[in-house]
Amino acid sequence: GDSVTQMEGPVTLSEEAFLTINCTYTATGYPSLFWYVQYPGEGLQLLLKATKADDKGSNKGFEATYRKETTSFHLEKGSVQVSDSAVYFCALSQNNQGGKLIFGQGTELSVKP
Amino acid sequence: ETGVTQSPTHLIKTRGQQVTLRCSSQSGHNTVSWYQQALGQGPQFIFQYYREEENGRGNFPPRFSGLQFPNYSSELNVNALELDDSALYLCASSLAGGARSYEQYFGPGTRLTVT
Repeated sequence: GDSVTQMEGPVTLSEEAFLTINCTYTATGYPSLFWYVQYPGEGLQLLLKATKADDKGSNKGFEATYRKETTSFHLEKGSVQVSDSAVYFCALSQNNQGGKLIFGQGTELSVKP
Repeated sequence: ETGVTQSPTHLIKTRGQQVTLRCSSQSGHNTVSWYQQALGQGPQFIFQYYREEENGRGNFPPRFSGLQFPNYSSELNVNALELDDSALYLCASSLAGGARSYEQYFGPGTRLTVT
């Protein structure tokens, strides 16, 4: 079945450092790909998405490119802030399954001043 | 625009009891999905409701059941609670059939503890 694998955390960075969180997936066809963020004590917020190969999703300085050839959707940000500290989830959805999301295990990011 | 709301925020139950969790979908959305998030894990899909009918189910036993009401709000019921049911239960709403039907919007969750 479909699955998502993320790099394990926690990831600890200094403010203004470059961020990469790796995400790879296994799926049939052409799923939509997502990054969600979960701040402490809160639900999930959609951070960005890409619905077809080579699409780049971006939001709040974060970017991720849908790479069909490497089945990857790595999350990047050029300069992280303390306020970016959260848990990040990569997810996929098959377009014929009503939006059912399959999540990775999450990567905790901690940004120090 | 009203976001997704869930109640209660926290709940403590004893093994063997039954629990009902509630979710109000975002204004204009007609589909509700439920997820279970164990501590330190990613959310796992339980089931989805569209137009008051179950529209897909994950790998959860029948003691997990749900309802969707005409106003698109939803309930998740869990019978015969087990210790492993302790988790954060997330509700997400979306608009099926729209151009962005894949976008799900999550509520803050209900933290269930089974003792």
